[in-house]
Amino acid sequence: EAGVVQSPRYKIIEKKQPVAFWCNPISGHNTLYWYLQNLGQGPELLIRYENEEAVDDSQLPKDRFSAERLKGVDSTLKIQPAELGDSAVYLCASSLDRKDTQYFGPGTRLTVL
Amino acid sequence: GNSVTQMEGPVTLSEEAFLTINCTYTATGYPSLFWYVQYPGEGLQLLLKATKADDKGSNKGFEATYRKETTSFHLEKGSVQVSDSAVYFCALSDRNFNKFYFGSGTKLNVKP
Repeated sequence: EAGVVQSPRYKIIEKKQPVAFWCNPISGHNTLYWYLQNLGQGPELLIRYENEEAVDDSQLPKDRFSAERLKGVDSTLKIQPAELGDSAVYLCASSLDRKDTQYFGPGTRLTVL
Repeated sequence: GNSVTQMEGPVTLSEEAFLTINCTYTATGYPSLFWYVQYPGEGLQLLLKATKADDKGSNKGFEATYRKETTSFHLEKGSVQVSDSAVYFCALSDRNFNKFYFGSGTKLNVKP
């Protein structure tokens, strides 16, 4: 069974540019998470979806970050415009439901110059 | 609020040594506790979990016991292998699994 797929794996952009990350969860998983992981830190939740509904986006900086999960399957996280402090690894995870084990993708490493 | 504190790394051990990685937590109510492992170049994966006080989670020779009286969930393994070299994250969720909180991770290096 395929795991959580994320792309791209690496992205380097100039500050003020837009960037988007894509996540394809494990088939049949209703819950999808986006996390931010700064260097030397643990993941911090940005947003959680139950199917296509964002049920917790309290930690998402809405002035520059946006996310969508159309049709309740794959998801896109966007930053516009990117700032130097956004350099980090962006992780996607999915689970059957919120009480079930989370399965993580390999992450997208973003560098903002 | 809820938070997790784990010992700083890196931890360097020789093969077959005993491993302890300390984890303490602050939480309201009755959280569930987890250990995740991240091998080089891979995503985080669940290693073990415990959902109530005095529960012991175990997997691949690793164990951790949910100690409510000391608010701890220390990870242990009796004999580490080179293949255990990874970053280990302690985490907790609230009772309803609405929020997850991760520690900062502890890197383990096992030398042959």
